[in-house]
Amino acid sequence: AQSVTQLDSHVSVSEGTPVLLRCNYSSSYSPSLFWYVQHPNKGLQLLLKYTSAATLVKGINGFEAEFKKSETSFHLTKPSAHMSDAAEYFCVVSDRAGNNRKLIWGLGTSLAVNP
Amino acid sequence: NAGVTQTPKFQVLKTGQSMTLQCAQDMNHEYMSWYRQDPGMGLRLIHYSVGAGITDQGEVPNGYNVSRSTTEDFPLRLLSAAPSQTSVYFCASSYSAGTGVNTQYFGPGTRLTVL
Repeated sequence: AQSVTQLDSHVSVSEGTPVLLRCNYSSSYSPSLFWYVQHPNKGLQLLLKYTSAATLVKGINGFEAEFKKSETSFHLTKPSAHMSDAAEYFCVVSDRAGNNRKLIWGLGTSLAVNP
Repeated sequence: NAGVTQTPKFQVLKTGQSMTLQCAQDMNHEYMSWYRQDPGMGLRLIHYSVGAGITDQGEVPNGYNVSRSTTEDFPLRLLSAAPSQTSVYFCASSYSAGTGVNTQYFGPGTRLTVL
């Protein structure tokens, strides 16, 4: 069965420094992977998704993630954090080969950005 | 386009009361789903629908009913509210329920408290 583990529940960075949010997955199939962001008291927004094309995926707001099959990882990065990046981030894996009927959600990583 | 809309934004119920959370989308999406979000537990799928007249259970369906009489609407009914159903509820939709990696679009959420 598919599963996803976000390795850090909280990450704190200074404004202007790099961001790394870690995600490992388990999948019996070729997975589809997503990162979603949730700002305080807001809904969820897709940051980026991996669909078995390029392993380095670029998303919105300067975020990107690299799919590494050998490491079963899909870590989210950004070169320089901005105050507006403070939010909850969710790594998500699809259930079954390419079928998004059931998405398996990680528990989230809370990102704090300090001035 | 309004996207995915949910009403109400906030609701307080007493144990045993029933109510319906409304969800509508104007994007002609086939696939709609309901999640609940609880602290430390991420998002959990309650019910989903792959098209009008077709619904199925997710991970935590007990205590909830759904129906899909039109493509646009996917209401979630709480039959007899319990304190354990205190949560934030999100409705989501995507273009297709078939294979592929379709982005899910989320509503703003309904914050429900059951006393």
